[in-house]
Amino acid sequence: EDQVTQSPEALRLQEGESSSLNCSYTVSGLRGLFWYRQDPGKGPEFLFTLYSAGEEKEKERLKATLTKKESFLHITAPKPEDSATYLCAVLSGTSYGKLTFGQGTILTVHP
Amino acid sequence: DTGVSQNPRHKITKRGQNVTFRCDPISEHNRLYWYRQTLGQGPEFLTYFQNEAQLEKSRLLSDRFSAERPKGSFSTLEIQRTEQGDSAMYLCASSPGTGGDTQYFGPGTRLTVL
Repeated sequence: EDQVTQSPEALRLQEGESSSLNCSYTVSGLRGLFWYRQDPGKGPEFLFTLYSAGEEKEKERLKATLTKKESFLHITAPKPEDSATYLCAVLSGTSYGKLTFGQGTILTVHP
Repeated sequence: DTGVSQNPRHKITKRGQNVTFRCDPISEHNRLYWYRQTLGQGPEFLTYFQNEAQLEKSRLLSDRFSAERPKGSFSTLEIQRTEQGDSAMYLCASSPGTGGDTQYFGPGTRLTVL
């Protein structure tokens, strides 16, 4: 069965203090790894899709990377508006479309 | 291009009542998904439609849950004889199918069962 584990569960940063979130996964034939941002009471907002080891994607202060067993979401010089829960999910090659999510990392950025 | 919409946004019901939620996907997206999310957890997959065909269902989808997507457009998720354990956020997502696996989520329907 596909599994996704995210760490840490919660991360508190000062504004400008760069850090990384980890997503470890086991999956039957990775078809894609997805990062989402979720604000309280709202649906997940798509950030990145990664398909193969070595791939990297960037958007503003965020950069996602992928290896064969894990993905990292690097946050450079974060701002308070980056505070949210960050979710990682995998899509298996044996599934029609089921995403398996981790439990998320709650990021808080203090001014 | 409007996003995925869900109605209602909030639903409060008494145990034992039936509830129905609606999801309108992004136009021209032929794939539609339902997930359930409880507090502090990531979303859990419930079911998947390609056009009007329901192709995958989770073991989480008990006999009290049913989903439809008539004509391959909007979808409904019905929960019969609700239980307190059904309280959760119900999320709908859609994807374009050919040319993209990325799922785009709606705002969710928050269900509270008293």
